Amino acid sequence: QQQVKQSPQSLIVQKGGISIINCAYENTAFDYFPWYQQFPGKGPALLIAIRPDVSEKKEGRFTISFNKSAKQFSLHIMDSQPGDSATYFCAASIWGKLIFGQGTELSVKP
Amino acid sequence: NAGVTQTPKFQVLKTGQSMTLQCAQDMNHEYMSWYRQDPGMGLRLIHYSVGAGITDQGEVPNGYNVSRSTTEDFPLRLLSAAPSQTSVYFCASSRDGGTEAFFGQGTRLTVV
Repeated sequence: QQQVKQSPQSLIVQKGGISIINCAYENTAFDYFPWYQQFPGKGPALLIAIRPDVSEKKEGRFTISFNKSAKQFSLHIMDSQPGDSATYFCAASIWGKLIFGQGTELSVKP
Repeated sequence: NAGVTQTPKFQVLKTGQSMTLQCAQDMNHEYMSWYRQDPGMGLRLIHYSVGAGITDQGEVPNGYNVSRSTTEDFPLRLLSAAPSQTSVYFCASSRDGGTEAFFGQGTRLTVV
């Protein structure tokens, strides 16, 4: 019940394209939904986050779409760039615990 | 500010040995957590703490112990290392459960 399922596992996008990563959860008590970006050899870093009372949040080229009734949320990266190539993790927080999805390895081809 | 500092960065252990992974933060954060990262499995929560003297189990706690005697430090102990504990370990801290978590650079552990 505290799992967060993420797809796809890997994604290849052309430069300038849109990258879309999806996550689903079961527990309706989750109250905070962040996305983290990780480069090889580094720790994850917060990219953007949303709370369940908001349906969409945009920061620059990055947008979270949140569907509370479907218990799904997604990350959209507009105008994807080679520098966006990294592993992306969705996560959900409950009672102080941050539970992560399995990760998506994004490769943006020039 | 150093943020979250993990030591060591690399470690090789023999099966059955014990060791402690160190984690320290200088942001006065109440929440601290340990994760392990394995290919295709994301980041799995081992143990977490919501303040000094308070710890709880995460998704994969077996084989690991933690304690939190100060706000700054949250060490992770492997009691008897097993090859299945070969992984990259990350420590993280946050002001509370609903705010940004800051991660250390990780410890790459190999158990042979």
